Amino acid sequence: AQSVTQLDSQVPVFEEAPVELRCNYSSSVSVYLFWYVQYPNQGLQLLLKYLSGSTLVESINGFEAEFNKSQTSFHLRKPSVHISDTAEYFCAVSVPRGGYNKLIFGAGTRLAVHP
Amino acid sequence: DAGVTQSPTHLIKTRGQQVTLRCSPKSGHDTVSWYQQALGQGPQFIFQYYEEEERQRGNFPDRFSGHQFPNYSSELNVNALLLGDSALYLCASSLAAATLSNEQYFGPGTRLTVT
Repeated sequence: AQSVTQLDSQVPVFEEAPVELRCNYSSSVSVYLFWYVQYPNQGLQLLLKYLSGSTLVESINGFEAEFNKSQTSFHLRKPSVHISDTAEYFCAVSVPRGGYNKLIFGAGTRLAVHP
Repeated sequence: DAGVTQSPTHLIKTRGQQVTLRCSPKSGHDTVSWYQQALGQGPQFIFQYYEEEERQRGNFPDRFSGHQFPNYSSELNVNALLLGDSALYLCASSLAAATLSNEQYFGPGTRLTVT
């Protein structure tokens, strides 16, 4: 079975400061890794994903995450955050099984960006 | 291009009642997954439908059932509602053939409150 642990439930940070949201996973087989963002009263939006290849993946709005197989981690980073980045962030894994790709989520990290 | 849509947006029911939630997938998608997100938690996988059949199921009781129609839209039914069923119910769609991208697109969710 797979599981996801997000090590911080809340991360407060000042605007323009760097941030790291931590994610560790457990799995006996290879997995795909995802970060989703949820703004207040909205559904989930895919931020970035790791399927294979380069271990560093980037999003269009400045976030990046690095897959570390030895540490079973997929931490999310941004060098300079904006007020608009305030949201709930979820790390998730799925096991490649043809078209059957259920997601297993962590409990989420609330990022609060202060002016 | 319409994304994933869900109805209704909010719903209030009484314990013991039954509820039906609806989901229309993103255009071109043929697979629908349902997730339950309790307050302050990450989404939990309920089940997944493809070709009008339940393909995977999470750890939810038989009170939770679903259906997929020929146009790929889906319904989630919950019988004998309990207070603990209060949550945001998220629908996600994907394309079964796109196994490499493995990406699920989420709707805005239906907020169910059981009193």
